Amino acid sequence: IAGITQAPTSQILAAGRRMTLRCTQDMRHNAMYWYRQDLGLGLRLIHYSNTAGTTGKGEVPDGYSVSRANTDDFPLTLASAVPSQTSVYFCASSEEAGAPDTQYFGPGTRLTVL
Amino acid sequence: GQNIDQPTEMTATEGAIVQINCTYQTSGFNGLFWYQQHAGEAPTFLSYNVLDGLEEKGRFSSFLSRSKGYSYLLLKELQMKDSASYLCAVRDSNYQLIWGAGTKLIIKP
Repeated sequence: IAGITQAPTSQILAAGRRMTLRCTQDMRHNAMYWYRQDLGLGLRLIHYSNTAGTTGKGEVPDGYSVSRANTDDFPLTLASAVPSQTSVYFCASSEEAGAPDTQYFGPGTRLTVL
Repeated sequence: GQNIDQPTEMTATEGAIVQINCTYQTSGFNGLFWYQQHAGEAPTFLSYNVLDGLEEKGRFSSFLSRSKGYSYLLLKELQMKDSASYLCAVRDSNYQLIWGAGTKLIIKP
């Protein structure tokens, strides 16, 4: 593993189903983030984690939950998917939250909810 | 509310220079970032400005004026591989990144 990986690459999901998007980084970064990217809109922060064991809500958290049991993994769960959650989801990490450092992005998961 | 404005799309010619503007209104300011995103790929970091002035990095330069809430990304000697979207993002008072919708840059031969 090098950098950030996400799985699956893409997924088609029936409305009402539960889905977990996986994110793993091997850079030992403390901070991790989940964004969604929709056409014509900027990246919008869903949830974030400043360090293992802590999480926080971003701009659009409703319908999503996260956990941060360890430094490397930051899964995003949709408890009951709805069509408005169709989007491209990016996981990102940075060395420290609150510092002027760069966020590194995973390759993204393209999710379609029907 | 917080707002980042960038042009939706720009077209330029290979070998030329292009300037992509970004204006922002945010609750606090703790730095401005530019990212490049090729179609179907993840954003990748280009530049960071926290003080007024110009930061140069090879063919790319980024300028910031905090008093005007304004930044631009300058791309010189354009190459076909520069065809991508360019995202402006501002770190607000909560140290969260607020993102613009991105500028799609089309390079023509």
